[in-house]
Amino acid sequence: AQSVTQLDSQVPVFEEAPVELRCNYSSSVSVYLFWYVQYPNQGLQLLLKYLSGSTLVKGINGFEAEFNKSQTSFHLRKPSVHISDTAEYFCAVSRQTSGTYKYIFGTGTRLKVLA
Amino acid sequence: GAGVSQSPRYKVAKRGQDVALRCDPISGHVSLFWYQQALGQGPEFLTYFQNEAQLDKSGLPSDRFFAERPEGSVSTLKIQRTQQEDSAVYLCASSFQWEGAGELFFGEGSRLTVL
Repeated sequence: AQSVTQLDSQVPVFEEAPVELRCNYSSSVSVYLFWYVQYPNQGLQLLLKYLSGSTLVKGINGFEAEFNKSQTSFHLRKPSVHISDTAEYFCAVSRQTSGTYKYIFGTGTRLKVLA
Repeated sequence: GAGVSQSPRYKVAKRGQDVALRCDPISGHVSLFWYQQALGQGPEFLTYFQNEAQLDKSGLPSDRFFAERPEGSVSTLKIQRTQQEDSAVYLCASSFQWEGAGELFFGEGSRLTVL
């Protein structure tokens, strides 16, 4: 079985400060890794994804994430946040099994950027 | 529109009523997923279609839940004899790819409240 753990349910941070949202996964096989963002009353949208290759992945809106296989982590970072980054962030993994595949999501981290 | 469209956006049902939730994916997208998102939680996998074939329905919580995608495009999630624990946001997502590496495009969801 595989699961996704987001260690922080809420992260308050002041505007222009750096932020890290943590994500750990458990899987015995290779997975693909994703971060999605959900703004209020909107659907989830992709921030970035890791499939293979360079472990540092850059996404939209200045976000980046680093894949660490030994620590089974995929933490999301931004060096300087804006008020508009206030949203819910979800880490997800996908793995193929028995000819099909599914995406498994974490419980989410609510990022609140303070003025 | 060019995105994933879900209807209705809001549905209030009395316990015991049947409901049907519709998802219109992006044209040409092979894969279609249904997720259930309870308040304060991450999306939980319900079922997956590849074209018209339902390849995985392991996440459907009971036999009261039924999903179909008869022509490989529009999908309907039906819940029979609704219960209060069915109250949640039901998310539909589609993807052009089928091998688990693709971006999921989400609709805004259908919020079901069972009284």
